[in-house]
Amino acid sequence: DTGVSQDPRHKITKRGQNVTFRCDPISEHNRLYWYRQTLGQGPEFLTYFQNEAQLEKSRLLSDRFSAERPKGSFSTLEIQRTEQGDSAMYLCASSSGPFGTDTQYFGPGTRLTVL
Amino acid sequence: KNEVEQSPQNLTAQEGEFITINCSYSVGISALHWLQQHPGGGIVSLFMLSSGKKKHGRLIATINIQEKHSSLHITASHPRDSAVYICAVRPLETSGSRLTFGEGTQLTVNP
Repeated sequence: DTGVSQDPRHKITKRGQNVTFRCDPISEHNRLYWYRQTLGQGPEFLTYFQNEAQLEKSRLLSDRFSAERPKGSFSTLEIQRTEQGDSAMYLCASSSGPFGTDTQYFGPGTRLTVL
Repeated sequence: KNEVEQSPQNLTAQEGEFITINCSYSVGISALHWLQQHPGGGIVSLFMLSSGKKKHGRLIATINIQEKHSSLHITASHPRDSAVYICAVRPLETSGSRLTFGEGTQLTVNP
């Protein structure tokens, strides 16, 4: 068990460019979450997968954002036509077990800076 | 108004002091989590509570479901406890197990 990993750890891009982040959850975890955290704030929910199915999306997830988990293992989060307001830490978490009382394990995050 | 409110936002203590961080929430929940975030972003789960009290080392977490309030206590604080402490709840009305977070409390413990 190597924990949740995210790649890259840091990404600097110019406004208007597309970026893609990857999350590798703990191998036996069937649930995967994406959160976004801006400076000085707590994380905010973006989207959630149960195996390969995307079951919930926040209204924060505009049509420029898309997430996939094609084989129920790793997940990708893509942001198209990045804007300066997208600058944030993007956190991935995974869990398994009974709904409502499972512990989420967080990755180290990908820090995005849009210039 | 946020569904999860933490106080204080910032807290500075001297080594050895007893520390309390408070969390109030406004929705029905299935569980409440206390999380620790160090500089650089990594988040570690400290406690998950649905009732009562839990203790781990120098950390104690309590929850009062009727009052919708939780506290995190640190006894004999140490500079290595310096971090952001985040309260997060799992609302009953949401599907899945997603968390709603407070804004965090920045704790600095000086030697």
